[in-house]
Amino acid sequence: GNSVTQMEGPVTLSEEAFLTINCTYTATGYPSLFWYVQYPGEGLQLLLKATKADDKGSNKGFEATYRKETTSFHLEKGSVQVSDSAVYFCALRSLGNTPLVFGKGTRLSVIA
Amino acid sequence: GAVVSQHPSRVICKSGTSVKIECRSLDFQATTMFWYRQFPKQSLMLMATSNEGSKATYEQGVEKDKFLINHASLTLSTLTVTSAHPEDSSFYICSASLLAGGGEQYFGPGTRLTVT
Repeated sequence: GNSVTQMEGPVTLSEEAFLTINCTYTATGYPSLFWYVQYPGEGLQLLLKATKADDKGSNKGFEATYRKETTSFHLEKGSVQVSDSAVYFCALRSLGNTPLVFGKGTRLSVIA
Repeated sequence: GAVVSQHPSRVICKSGTSVKIECRSLDFQATTMFWYRQFPKQSLMLMATSNEGSKATYEQGVEKDKFLINHASLTLSTLTVTSAHPEDSSFYICSASLLAGGGEQYFGPGTRLTVT
């Protein structure tokens, strides 16, 4: 079945550091890939997405590229801020109206 | 656009009572809504998939008689936790898919249930 594996946290970075959160997937066909962010005490918000190979999703300085050859969708940001502290979830969805499959989440803490 | 609301945001109830959580798509029609449960510091666990006008499809291990799901319209789905017990305390999150599909789900802000 479909699955998502993302690096385990927690990840602690200083402000303005470079961020990478690795995400790889296993899926049949050509899934859509997503990164969601969950701030403390809140629900999930879509951060970015990519629907086909080589697509790059980007938002708020974050970006991720759909790499079919390595089945990866790593999240990157060049300079993190304290306000980026949250839990980040990588997810995939096969074609059709099927539910998202989530990774376990990676907690990011950014310190000033 | 694509806003999903949940009500209530927090609820505390006594063991043995039932609690209803509403999930609404505010500015779009959702043929499909999903209910998730999230334990502290863990990922989301899909409980059930709800299609408007039909019975919900429950994931393995989820008791359908305990977690009643109703999806009466294209903008409203409800989850009722019946005869709640302390182990049902959790963060419940719903999401909704746009009528036209496209692979994107929009999430509600979640409901924290505490059963005493």
